[in-house]
Amino acid sequence: GQQLNQSPQSMFIQEGEDVSMNCTSSSIFNTWLWYKQDPGEGPVLLIALYKAGELTSNGRLTAQFGITRKDSFLNISASIPSDVGIYFCAGIQGGSEKLVFGKGTKLTVNP
Amino acid sequence: KAGVTQTPRYLIKTRGQQVTLSCSPISGHRSVSWYQQTPGQGLQFLFEYFSETQRNKGNFPGRFSGRQFSNSRSEMNVSTLELGDSALYLCASTETSSSDTQYFGPGTRLTVL
Repeated sequence: GQQLNQSPQSMFIQEGEDVSMNCTSSSIFNTWLWYKQDPGEGPVLLIALYKAGELTSNGRLTAQFGITRKDSFLNISASIPSDVGIYFCAGIQGGSEKLVFGKGTKLTVNP
Repeated sequence: KAGVTQTPRYLIKTRGQQVTLSCSPISGHRSVSWYQQTPGQGLQFLFEYFSETQRNKGNFPGRFSGRQFSNSRSEMNVSTLELGDSALYLCASTETSSSDTQYFGPGTRLTVL
């Protein structure tokens, strides 16, 4: 099935650094969602975006819905060890009820 | 409110067997979607149920089926298990439409030997 192009696949950073990851598609999406998944658990919703150009923050996390509606990015500022996990973007296209996922960005934070 | 719950959390089966997984959505949520997650394919949509009816379906063989009960609880069944069915099976619930924000359960880790 269709999936979003999420990059990078993995990141290794030092505690305190900022992180940026993004998702792109050749198709237009009406909703963008960012999830974090810890090992053995289900994804947990971090941020939901519903409008092109929307910039939304959740603590140290900031996500934006791209103006073209074909991309979204997630920034994490001042990373801490508990930020470790896999971050997924997900999108919903107009006229579709299905959630399409990126393949994830695995984040490792070195203390 | 309690979150989405899934049972069992872990399951080991052998090829050819069948398995039933259960999902209880967040109270008041009427839509339940199921996903298969594997390292190679990522998160793949299986199907969505709303008001006891399958509303959307992904590209999985007929061995994968599901149902939803009047209390919105949902079950997923996989018959004639294959090794490739080993995966984390996740369900997610929303209030009315799967285009609403989805909240995921912890998943059921199925291992097929």
